[in-house]
Amino acid sequence: ETGVTQTPRHLVMGMTNKKSLKCEQHLGHNAMYWYKQSAKKPLELMFVYNFKEQTENNSVPSRFSPECPNSSHLFLHLHTLQPEDSALYLCASSQDLGQPSYEQYFGPGTRLTVT
Amino acid sequence: GQNIDQPTEMTATEGAIVQINCTYQTSGFNGLFWYQQHAGEAPTFLSYNVLDGLEEKGRFSSFLSRSKGYSYLLLKELQMKDSASYLCASMDSNYQLIWGAGTKLIIKP
Repeated sequence: ETGVTQTPRHLVMGMTNKKSLKCEQHLGHNAMYWYKQSAKKPLELMFVYNFKEQTENNSVPSRFSPECPNSSHLFLHLHTLQPEDSALYLCASSQDLGQPSYEQYFGPGTRLTVT
Repeated sequence: GQNIDQPTEMTATEGAIVQINCTYQTSGFNGLFWYQQHAGEAPTFLSYNVLDGLEEKGRFSSFLSRSKGYSYLLLKELQMKDSASYLCASMDSNYQLIWGAGTKLIIKP
């Protein structure tokens, strides 16, 4: 248990569906992240939030839409996804940005399958 | 470009020692991280190196050579529970982590 929870753990959706992934951290951290993890590929950083403000958007398609209502919660809204979007989506948090030694704490991930 | 290289898979025997290598090339450098990820679970932090040399933490040690762009994770007295993927990540000048694809470590009895 890392202090970061994600729901749902598994999600199967059609290409025309709309769904949301939820992440919550109980660590009092200020920075939160969304990553995509595909088999045998490096973790891909998608979005970064610091104090609820988005600081990074690494050329992620608009069919992925993040939302950060407060420093403890992070959402990833999904719509009209493609089969190649099937992957493990990981949420992480860290104390702050810009401090190299602050490690990131990861949630267990949501295994997404797009049919 | 930015790149992290590490072996895809390694096999070792219970009780032995294994060294997992990582080479990195990033825009700027703010430290090298190692994470462990068991199948179906979250990655968990193992170590952080920003200065050259060896950092020891129990059965696990991590080494860094900034001039060579090289790090390794050393696991001693291997146990079956050490079977996992080990992820190397370099922090660039923007404080973003650039990740390797991970090394899957298989421990055999």
